[in-house]
Formats: sequence, structure tokens, C-alpha cells
Amino acid sequence: DVKVTQSSRYLVKRTGEKVFLECVQDMDHENMFWYRQDPGLGLRLIYFSYDVKMKEKGDIPEGYSVSREKKERFSLILESASTNQTSMYLCASSSQGDYGYTFGSGTRLTVV
Amino acid sequence: SQQGEEDPQALSIQEGENATMNCSYKTSINNLQWYRQNSGRGLVHLILIRSNEREKHSGRLRVTLDTSKKSSSLLITASRAADTASYFCATDPNDYKLSFGAGTTVTVRA
Repeated sequence: DVKVTQSSRYLVKRTGEKVFLECVQDMDHENMFWYRQDPGLGLRLIYFSYDVKMKEKGDIPEGYSVSREKKERFSLILESASTNQTSMYLCASSSQGDYGYTFGSGTRLTVV
Repeated sequence: SQQGEEDPQALSIQEGENATMNCSYKTSINNLQWYRQNSGRGLVHLILIRSNEREKHSGRLRVTLDTSKKSSSLLITASRAADTASYFCATDPNDYKLSFGAGTTVTVRA
């Protein structure tokens, strides 16, 4: 069964900490994405990558960075966590072409 | 930026009834997709309709697309308790980056 795996389902971090959210896909997909989901706001794109070592900013990249050293892994980094980064984080991957996304189960991050 | 907007925000129906939700978007698209999210989980891809298609079916799902009105609808027929979830439309303007709406929450009552 093909899938996208996010390393943690729930995470609690302190303000100012550096936080790493890991995402791994086993479908050899070129494209990978990080979204955050907040009530009433839907999903907002943070960063995406179309290829290894390639990254592009989405709609809300401030306070985040990403790393894609291998095709299957796309990491989201919160450089210095703040309480307004408390959210559900969703990783997704897709192939080039008209295909849907495959999402991970999400990481619910709480920054205290 | 949020491209799609679903309507209604919430929908409550009896088991066996049909559920219809709508999505409006602002700019031209390559395709439009619908996803389902069960409480607190990731999204699951349901169906994709291309800009040159008007209607598509998958099991109990029927999707329509009207590019002249920039709108789409998702119909779930003969609903079941397991259809209780949030449903999102997402638009692809031809760069593989999907823009999602805020979703419609569907509750199916037994």
C-alpha cells in the first residue's frame, strides 16, 4: 500500500525551539508539499519541491524552511517555534501530470 | 492563497439521502479535485475532473464542472454514516500546486 509517512502524530514543543517535521513517501513521486491546516482557513501551502534539492516558497513560508536531500524525504523546519505556529501540518506528494495528492496522516503541533 | 470556496460550510443529512456541496473558484484551472478528511486525519483524494470535462462519476460520487461559471459540485448519493467527514475542493492552475478551500463538513445521521 503506497503511502506518505509523517514521523509524529502529535508533538509539543516550547517557544524558541527548533522543530523538525519529517515526511517520507514510497511512491517515487517528484513533487512534495507541506501545508498547514487551521480551523476556518483550510489548507495553506508553506513550501513545495518539484525535485531533489529543489524548493520553492508557498503562500506562507515565513518562519519555516525545508530540506529535500533525497527524493523520498521532505523535511519542514521551524527555525524558532512560536505559539502562532500551533497547527496541523500535512505533507503530501504527487507525480507530474494530472494526478491527485497522497497525504500523510498529519502532525498536530502544539507550541507552548 | 485560497482559491476555492465550498458551500455550504456544514451539512447534516439522514442516512440514505443525497449530499450536494458546491465549490467556486476565481482563476482559470487545469483541473479541479475533491478530497475527504475524516476527523483529525490526512486528506484522501476522491476524484479529479479536468477543465475540458463537464461531469465525472466514481462509485456513489458525481462531480460536475462549469468553467464558464468557475464552479463545481460534488454529489454523494445514498449517504452512509461512513461518509461523515469534511470535503474539500482543490484547484490546480497547471503548476501542480493545489489551492484548497475551507471545506464542507458533512454529518450523516443514522
